[in-house]
Amino acid sequence: DQQVKQNSPSLSVQEGRISILNCDYTNSMFDYFLWYKKYPAEGPTFLISISSIKDKNEDGRFTVFLNKSAKHLSLHIVPSQPGDSAVYFCAASTNAGNNRKLIWGLGTSLGVNP
Amino acid sequence: NAGVMQNPRHLVRRRGQEARLRCSPMKGHSHVYWYRQLPEEGLKFMVYLQKENIIDESGMPKERFSAEFPKEGPSILRIQQVVRGDSAAYFCASSPSGSSGNTIYFGEGSWLTVV
Repeated sequence: DQQVKQNSPSLSVQEGRISILNCDYTNSMFDYFLWYKKYPAEGPTFLISISSIKDKNEDGRFTVFLNKSAKHLSLHIVPSQPGDSAVYFCAASTNAGNNRKLIWGLGTSLGVNP
Repeated sequence: NAGVMQNPRHLVRRRGQEARLRCSPMKGHSHVYWYRQLPEEGLKFMVYLQKENIIDESGMPKERFSAEFPKEGPSILRIQQVVRGDSAAYFCASSPSGSSGNTIYFGEGSWLTVV
């Protein structure tokens, strides 16, 4: 049972345009959400996170939006750059019992065309 | 300020041998996590450790797999009597102690190939 779903396996955008990566979740107990970027043969790199008490968090070109009623979050990258081409993972966790186990989506492969 | 260090980066083992993967967390981090990524699959949680304690091992296979994080030295993920299905990328991550948000930082991974 996939608690965190990234329904688009891949996405292609033009350099300079906006990239929107989507993530849906089913567990209403999740209270913290993270986005990671991963290049081939490397470990995931943390990008940005959001707590469930917020609906938006912004860091430079990256903005994450959270819609708790829809159990949906999205990552916006603007403007997109060729170096953003990577696999993006959405992850969620609860803080119950101080256990920081992350539940991961399967990833969306973003390609940014020059 | 070194990040999470994993070694070896690549390991080849014959079926039936043992594999040991090591992870040194970021400086000041006392929480270590191991994740596995099988070919064509997403990251799957295996185990969460603090110094000398296993906090959550719900993602560990019941047999052949063990993990430790001793008081001194790196965390070790040990796989005994490896089989071809153990071939995967194993990622270690760490986070600081205390309530600093649930952000964890990953190493570059160890790729295990069982032949």
